Amino acid sequence: DAKTTQPPSMDCAEGRAANLPCNHSTISGNEYVYWYRQIHSQGPQYIIHGLKNNETNEMASLIITEDRKSSTLILPHATLRDTAVYYCIVRPDTNAGKSTFGDGTTLTVKP
Amino acid sequence: GAVVSQHPSWVICKSGTSVKIECRSLDFQATTMFWYRQFPKQSLMLMATSNEGSKATYEQGVEKDKFLINHASLTLSTLTVTSAHPEDSSFYICSASDPYNSPLHFGNGTRLTVT
Repeated sequence: DAKTTQPPSMDCAEGRAANLPCNHSTISGNEYVYWYRQIHSQGPQYIIHGLKNNETNEMASLIITEDRKSSTLILPHATLRDTAVYYCIVRPDTNAGKSTFGDGTTLTVKP
Repeated sequence: GAVVSQHPSWVICKSGTSVKIECRSLDFQATTMFWYRQFPKQSLMLMATSNEGSKATYEQGVEKDKFLINHASLTLSTLTVTSAHPEDSSFYICSASDPYNSPLHFGNGTRLTVT
């Protein structure tokens, strides 16, 4: 499994965009980039995923560099409830593809 | 969307006893499920891959006789922590993905405390 590296922590002001970076320089051609977040004592929540094109859904946007070695998760208008640990993982697009989690980024949204 | 349910959400047991944790896919069939363990302030650590109808695949360093995994149906996988000890106290999380919809979905975890 390709490993990912993320900054350990970030702060963001409420209402501003939160941009969370992730490096995955050893990603394979068949691996997707997935983002999850985990609020204390809960299971991770799926946010978004992509292969090489930028993606957007109701929660966030995902920007993947052309060489696919890094990506950025964007929360356009962060709220206090977005405070969580955010994990970037890479995984083959099959239901049997296992995922290894890195240390994630603890995002703190401040009023 | 795909829902993964885990039960119980928390359990307290005495040393030497065994504890079973269930993971169910509620609205899809999961031929593969994954079990993770998470210690406080740490990331999720993959323990094993549970395969329906066959033996689980364990990650290096995970004792298969200690953590018994059974995936007897397409919607249920169980993790049994045998002869539990206080060092087994942790947050156990399962996940699965719909074969037709790739994102992994996670259960809400089980907090195990061994006294």
